[in-house]
Amino acid sequence: GAVVSQHPSWVICKSGTSVKIECRSLDFQATTMFWYRQFPKQSLMLMATSNEGSKATYEQGVEKDKFLINHASLTLSTLTVTSAHPEDSSFYICSATDRRTYNSPLHFGNGTRLTVT
Amino acid sequence: TQLLEQSPQFLSIQEGENLTVYCNSSSVFSSLQWYRQEPGEGPVLLVTVVTGGEVKKLKRLTFQFGDARKDSSLHITAAQPGDTGLYLCAGARGNDMRFGAGTRLTVKP
Repeated sequence: GAVVSQHPSWVICKSGTSVKIECRSLDFQATTMFWYRQFPKQSLMLMATSNEGSKATYEQGVEKDKFLINHASLTLSTLTVTSAHPEDSSFYICSATDRRTYNSPLHFGNGTRLTVT
Repeated sequence: TQLLEQSPQFLSIQEGENLTVYCNSSSVFSSLQWYRQEPGEGPVLLVTVVTGGEVKKLKRLTFQFGDARKDSSLHITAAQPGDTGLYLCAGARGNDMRFGAGTRLTVKP
């Protein structure tokens, strides 16, 4: 089945620094990638949708200057948390799909646990 | 408010019991998917249902898509501790896909 690789799986950083998370589709082309944030024992909260070669579409309340998303190729999207603060600590998950395939499901990465100290 | 209402939010049962999780919406979806997520991992796709009234079975799991493609259910027969996890439904409309709030299932041995 389709595989999405997310890296790193966990990261600890100091307040004020920036962190980049990568999401790669390994055996299919991802026209669209999604980035989510998940708080403990809660569902996924969609942060943004990125289409390859286009600017990401951010959900209401998500700061685009803080959460920079790049989707420059059909196999890679990155999320950069800029000037991270402790409140940004969370589990971040990406998913990917090929919109050219009818009813293509989402394939998820294994998530990145970010801890900001 | 959630586009997809999932119920119950929490469910704790004994091994061997049956359970049903519901996913309801006022919107029509082109497809609906169910995922299971274990702690510290990404969600894993269980099934995709596309046709109204469709029923799919995956071992002890039975998924049904409502005739009007607005709702879905997941039924687990003879639950096992290995079924423990967060179950998420997700509905697709055009280029948009939204998740329900999830059902956290705990199956006690």
